[in-house]
Amino acid sequence: SQELEQSPQSLIVQEGKNLTINCTSSKTLYGLYWYKQKYGEGLIFLMMLQKGGEEKSHEKITAKLDEKKQQSSLHITASQPSHAGIYLCGAEAPGTYKYIFGTGTRLKVLA
Amino acid sequence: GAVVSQHPSWVICKSGTSVKIECRSLDFQATTMFWYRQFPKQSLMLMATSNEGSKATYEQGVEKDKFLINHASLTLSTLTVTSAHPEDSSFYICSAAGQLTKEQYFGPGTRLTVT
Repeated sequence: SQELEQSPQSLIVQEGKNLTINCTSSKTLYGLYWYKQKYGEGLIFLMMLQKGGEEKSHEKITAKLDEKKQQSSLHITASQPSHAGIYLCGAEAPGTYKYIFGTGTRLKVLA
Repeated sequence: GAVVSQHPSWVICKSGTSVKIECRSLDFQATTMFWYRQFPKQSLMLMATSNEGSKATYEQGVEKDKFLINHASLTLSTLTVTSAHPEDSSFYICSAAGQLTKEQYFGPGTRLTVT
């Protein structure tokens, strides 16, 4: 079965610093989603990537999917306290409508 | 568009009682709905997949008699936690997918506390 491993597990950065979160899959990714979650709340959709080499940006967040479609990275530029939360990558399990989720990365941004 | 609601947002119940959680797609028809469970500091774990008008498909290790899922219409799925115990306390999130796309839209979650 496919597994998604995220790194780092947790991250504390000073406000204004850049950071990167990685999501590595044990199999080829067909549809990779990035979500943000504040604990005890629902998921906020950030971006979806499908094609190898694809890159998308929204405000200060950029997500990339590598050419081999087995790894994705989420990069935050000039982090702010509002970026704090749990970041989850999710992927469609091949041949199904199911999603599998990564292990999650907890981000804390110090003001 | 693509809004999914859950009700209640939080519930406290006594051990041994049953609790029903509703998941509604507000502006689209959801042929498939998913139920997830999330423990503190952990990721989402898929519990079951439900298709409108048919029986839910449960993931390995999920007790179907304990977590009853009903998907009676294209806009509503319910999860009933029967004979709840403190270990059932968790955050339950549903998602809904439309007929044409595999993309899932997530509800805001329901926090269940069993005392």
